[in-house]
Amino acid sequence: GDSVTQMEGPVTLSEEAFLTINCTYTATGYPSLFWYVQYPGEGLQLLLKATKADDKGSNKGFEATYRKETTSFHLEKGSVQVSDSAVYFCAPRDAGNMLTFGGGTRLMVKP
Amino acid sequence: DAGITQSPRYKITETGRQVTLMCHQTWSHSYMFWYRQDLGHGLRLIYYSAAADITDKGEVPDGYVVSRSKTENFPLTLESATRSQTSVYFCASSDGLARPQETQYFGPGTRLLVL
Repeated sequence: GDSVTQMEGPVTLSEEAFLTINCTYTATGYPSLFWYVQYPGEGLQLLLKATKADDKGSNKGFEATYRKETTSFHLEKGSVQVSDSAVYFCAPRDAGNMLTFGGGTRLMVKP
Repeated sequence: DAGITQSPRYKITETGRQVTLMCHQTWSHSYMFWYRQDLGHGLRLIYYSAAADITDKGEVPDGYVVSRSKTENFPLTLESATRSQTSVYFCASSDGLARPQETQYFGPGTRLLVL
């Protein structure tokens, strides 16, 4: 089955710092790729997605590019804010509509 | 209210008791899912359902039972709770159409403590 490797956290940054959270996956075929975010005490919310190679998903200043050649979908943001503190999950979705979640990366942004 | 809801939000129970976690969605989504979230494991799929009266096992189904008599409801039952089932449980739904951009929508979670 599919599998996902995310960088372990916590990732601690100062406000306005640049963020990268690495994600690589193994999958059969070419899955759609998703990043979900979980704010403290809440369920997961879709952050962004990309459905084919070289697509760039973006939302709320976050971006991620579907890299087929490296099977990666790294999450980036140019200037993080305290309100971005959350846990981020990378998840490929297979043809059967199943998501496979990475272990999650906790981001802590300090003022 | 529209969306996906879970109840209860918090539950404390004792080993050996039966517990049912409820999930309700108002979108008429065909697919529904149950996940558990544990430190160090991310989210793991317990069971899913492609439609009413159709359910299938996920990665960690042992000790759990599901049913889906109505499209909008997908209860999860722990028949005899164990301490290892202490976790946060998330329900999700999707419309299940074979579109690449289709995603799952998550409920707020149920935090379960088994003493």
